[in-house]
Amino acid sequence: QKEVEQDPGPLSVPEGAIVSLNCTYSNSAFQYFMWYRQYSRKGPELLMYTYSSGNKEDGRFTAQVDKSSKYISLFIRDSQPSDSATYLCAMSGEYGGSQGNLIFGKGTKLSVKP
Amino acid sequence: DGGITQSPKYLFRKEGQNVTLSCEQNLNHDAMYWYRQDPGQGLRLIYYSQIVNDFQKGDIAEGYSVSREKKESFPLTVTSAQKNPTAFYLCASRDSYSSYNEQFFGPGTRLTVL
Repeated sequence: QKEVEQDPGPLSVPEGAIVSLNCTYSNSAFQYFMWYRQYSRKGPELLMYTYSSGNKEDGRFTAQVDKSSKYISLFIRDSQPSDSATYLCAMSGEYGGSQGNLIFGKGTKLSVKP
Repeated sequence: DGGITQSPKYLFRKEGQNVTLSCEQNLNHDAMYWYRQDPGQGLRLIYYSQIVNDFQKGDIAEGYSVSREKKESFPLTVTSAQKNPTAFYLCASRDSYSSYNEQFFGPGTRLTVL
């Protein structure tokens, strides 16, 4: 079983739809959970950051972490064509040394159609 | 502006040649990373360095080499021993002393073997 599992998609939705992206993980030591957005042929950029369990909201984006189920989600409300990108989940244990290295999912490619 | 630069953006290599990819950061980060990204594979860690003059192998280090002589610079050499080097290469850095575990990425270098 891989440490982090993410459905690669592709996922295609109409403009205005609610998008749900998910990752599951196996390592109970993970404490830091992130979502990166990567546009085609660009480097990833941090979109959302969560420590431990709970929800975090930023505009149209909501990140959820359920440590009991080892499951994280990213919701995008009122999706826009500009949201079309690959979304990578990433997570790590404590931030010192190699424990702080991020483990990435394979990424989900999202396309929002006008 | 603070950030990470990678050069060149595109690189072509003939079989049997070694090539070096440049990564420079002015964020004053101690930790730096090299990833390889292939379609459908997500980000795979090649090498990382937590401090100057020290670096560790990641998951796919065979056929690659690095150096960390300066805090700002972490060049990656793709050697002729790397059998399938065509990929998108991403450099990242992290503030080891921050309570956040975010990695900042450069724009990437696309390497193609002719």
